Amino acid sequence: DVKVTQSSRYLVKRTGEKVFLECVQDMDHENMFWYRQDPGLGLRLIYFSYDVKMKEKGDIPEGYSVSREKKERFSLILESASTNQTSMYLCASSSTRRTANTEAFFGQGTRLTVV
Amino acid sequence: SQQGEEDPQALSIQEGENATMNCSYKTSINNLQWYRQNSGRGLVHLILIRSNEREKHSGRLRVTLDTSKKSSSLLITASRAADTASYFCATDSPRGSYIPTFGRGTSLIVHP
Repeated sequence: DVKVTQSSRYLVKRTGEKVFLECVQDMDHENMFWYRQDPGLGLRLIYFSYDVKMKEKGDIPEGYSVSREKKERFSLILESASTNQTSMYLCASSSTRRTANTEAFFGQGTRLTVV
Repeated sequence: SQQGEEDPQALSIQEGENATMNCSYKTSINNLQWYRQNSGRGLVHLILIRSNEREKHSGRLRVTLDTSKKSSSLLITASRAADTASYFCATDSPRGSYIPTFGRGTSLIVHP
């Protein structure tokens, strides 16, 4: 059974803290994504990666960075957490190999609250 | 930037009725996908329709795609209370066809 696992379901951090959100997939997927989801705004793409050590900015990268040192793991980093980063964070992965479609598999989400 | 936009934003129906959600998008696509999200959870893929397809079925789900109108619809027939969820369409991103770009979603409530 395919799986994308996010390290925490709920997280509370203080303003100014450095925050790491971890995501691991067991499907050998090339592509991994980080989205944030806010009421009324849907899912917005923060960063994505199409290969190990490769990363590309999404639509709202400000205040975030990412790391992909291994194929299965994609980390989202909030360098200095702020209250406007309180949100639901969703990790996803997909494959673009010849026989695969572009279906994305999602983790269960991390609800981050910055106080 | 969001490619797809779902309509309506919210839909409330009785069990047994059909639910129809629509998605409009702005630029040409290779495929369009529909996802479902239960409250507070991640998204689950429902169905993918390619740009050269007009209609696709999966169980009680029927998806149509009209590339000339840049729109798609998701029909859930004989809805159940367990269908209560948010539904999102996802299209290709201008950044790359493998990057799903989501709309704001339709919140569906099915009353028992």
